[in-house]
Amino acid sequence: DTEVTQTPKHLVMGMTNKKSLKCEQHMGHRAMYWYKQKAKKPPELMFVYSYEKLSINESVPSRFSPECPNSSLLNLHLHALQPEDSALYLCASSRTSSLEKRYNEQFFGPGTRLTVL
Amino acid sequence: AQTVTQSQPEMSVQEAETVTLSCTYDTSENNYYLFWYKQPPSRQMILVIRQEAYKQQNATENRFSVNFQKAAKSFSLKISDSQLGDTAMYFCAFVGGATNKLIFGTGTLLAVQP
Repeated sequence: DTEVTQTPKHLVMGMTNKKSLKCEQHMGHRAMYWYKQKAKKPPELMFVYSYEKLSINESVPSRFSPECPNSSLLNLHLHALQPEDSALYLCASSRTSSLEKRYNEQFFGPGTRLTVL
Repeated sequence: AQTVTQSQPEMSVQEAETVTLSCTYDTSENNYYLFWYKQPPSRQMILVIRQEAYKQQNATENRFSVNFQKAAKSFSLKISDSQLGDTAMYFCAFVGGATNKLIFGTGTLLAVQP
């Protein structure tokens, strides 16, 4: 199983709502990533979890709150978002978060299309 | 700091023809990997091909091959016998240093015309 799943596929929320995005993988990977992607732009890294601990936060506003309850699951909690936060949110996973001598590919999920009204 | 540059925002190719997408990068690292990712309109990002910097031989995956010029820091993707399903955004990406953090180029939107 080389699949990363994400739910929901689409999400529309108001600026006062609280919602969560979910990502799951069963490849035994110990690194998981959240990316934000605007239309026709490359993904921008937001967070990296390594062995269920937050290892990288790319200066993301606190209205985005990541959580890694276990090695297979990654959540992104959303609160008081702005319309400019509307984007495709991608999750990815890899064996580890370190550059290894052997290949350490990141596998991407299909994404959640978020619209903030 | 590492950078990845894709100078072709959009390209078009006829079905069954060959097309080459360009990518250059800048790094001071000796140990790194380069990738081409494909993101079709359905949005799932998938890995097309990868190249280890220490390998001189160019990587090949079926109709996809790369021209890796380490000294010139160039990493182009050649798609042979283009198919309609190759229509997608293609991102060149770099990983190097201590972490597995991907550095993406700005992407090339490829349209395969029937």
